[in-house]
Formats: sequence, C-alpha cells, structure tokens
Amino acid sequence: DVQMTQSPSSLSASVGDRVTITCRASQNIDYHLNWYHQRPGKAPNLLIYAASTLQSGVPSRFSGSGSGTDFTLTINSLQPEDFGTYYCQQSYTSSITFGQGTKLEIK
Amino acid sequence: QITLKESGPTLVKPTQTLTLTCTFSGFSLTTSGVAVAWIRQPPGEALEWLAFIYWNDDKRYRPSLKSRLSITKDTSKNQVVLTMTNMDPVDTATYYCAHTVYKFWSMDVWGQGTTVTVSS
Repeated sequence: DVQMTQSPSSLSASVGDRVTITCRASQNIDYHLNWYHQRPGKAPNLLIYAASTLQSGVPSRFSGSGSGTDFTLTINSLQPEDFGTYYCQQSYTSSITFGQGTKLEIK
Repeated sequence: QITLKESGPTLVKPTQTLTLTCTFSGFSLTTSGVAVAWIRQPPGEALEWLAFIYWNDDKRYRPSLKSRLSITKDTSKNQVVLTMTNMDPVDTATYYCAHTVYKFWSMDVWGQGTTVTVSS
C-alpha cells in the first residue's frame, strides 16, 4: 500500500490567516492526489483533484500543489466555515489510501 | 444532479454479515469511466477506502479486508451493494458510498453516510 502522511495533525489559525497542510506519499504517485474537507458529522467534500485542479464550486482561496511524493494544500484568507478536518488521498494505485487527517481549528 | 444514499442496518452482532445498499441517481454505472466507491470512518478516526466497482464490473478491494468484502451492482435499479462478512466491533463506523470517475478517481459526490454499530 502507498502510505500517506499528513502534517501537521492539528493546527489552530485565525480568520484571515494563510494555512498550509502537507501530504507526503511513501512512493511516487505522480500527480494522482486529491484533497477533501470534512466538517463534524458530515460527509467529506472534494476540494482539489489531480494535485492542483480546483473542484467546481470550491472557493478560489483553496489551492493545491506538488507532484511525486510531496504535496501541499493552501487556504488563503481563512474563513470560519473552513474549520474541520482535511484529508489527502492518493489514486495512483487502484488500492487508494487516505492520509490520517489534519484537524483545523479556528481561533 | 448526482445523489447517493446509503441504507442498511444500524446494528449488527459480531460474526454476522453486513449488507449495505447504495442507491444513486444522476448517473449510470454503465457509462465508461464511472465507478462507485465505499469508504468507512470509525468514530474519531480517518477515512478508510473499502472497495470500488467500475462501469465494466471490474472490482477492487482493500487488501486487508479482501476476504470479507463483496461488491456488486444492479444497473437496472441504480444500486450498489456491499457485503462484509464476520463483522467485529472494530468494524463499527460510518459507511459512505461515493461517485468517482476516471482518471483521478476522486470522490466528487458522497452519500450522507450510514452508521453501523457492531455489538452483541
């Protein structure tokens, strides 16, 4: 299995801040990397696919970058509704795997 | 508009078999490049992919659970069924189904999830 490791595991930030979450794959996954946001008690929501393509309807303050093994999700100008947990997911292999999640708290 | 909804028992006993149904609309599982995924999330834990079923009836399973999982589709009913045998309390989780497409297999639309508790 391809292991996905996110950092940090949790963070606290203020409205208006810029936040960066990283995701590292245990092997090359090219750009087959997707990002999701999940609020408590809700299903995940796709934010970014193919490492850097913004899903339709997702605010432009979200952006993704990276390829190979190292990836980044950036949230510019953090909004109150951005709290929750963020997950990366690789789809390079048919046995897909998720990261362990990054819990974002709004100060 | 694509929608998916999971249904099934909320409580199963250890050793029993779990059967979950995903009923969807807004797409066809006969369309090339389309698939449905099952993902679960134990309480307070991360997402865990379980299985895919593709438009061509190809199937993929989580390696560690492969012997316990089975996924099938009924295209006439727009349903996907996941069965998991020999349920254990560690299988207690919210189970989601999701729509996904070639080539990046991102889950772009999710069901609301159904919570399954395994307890005697």
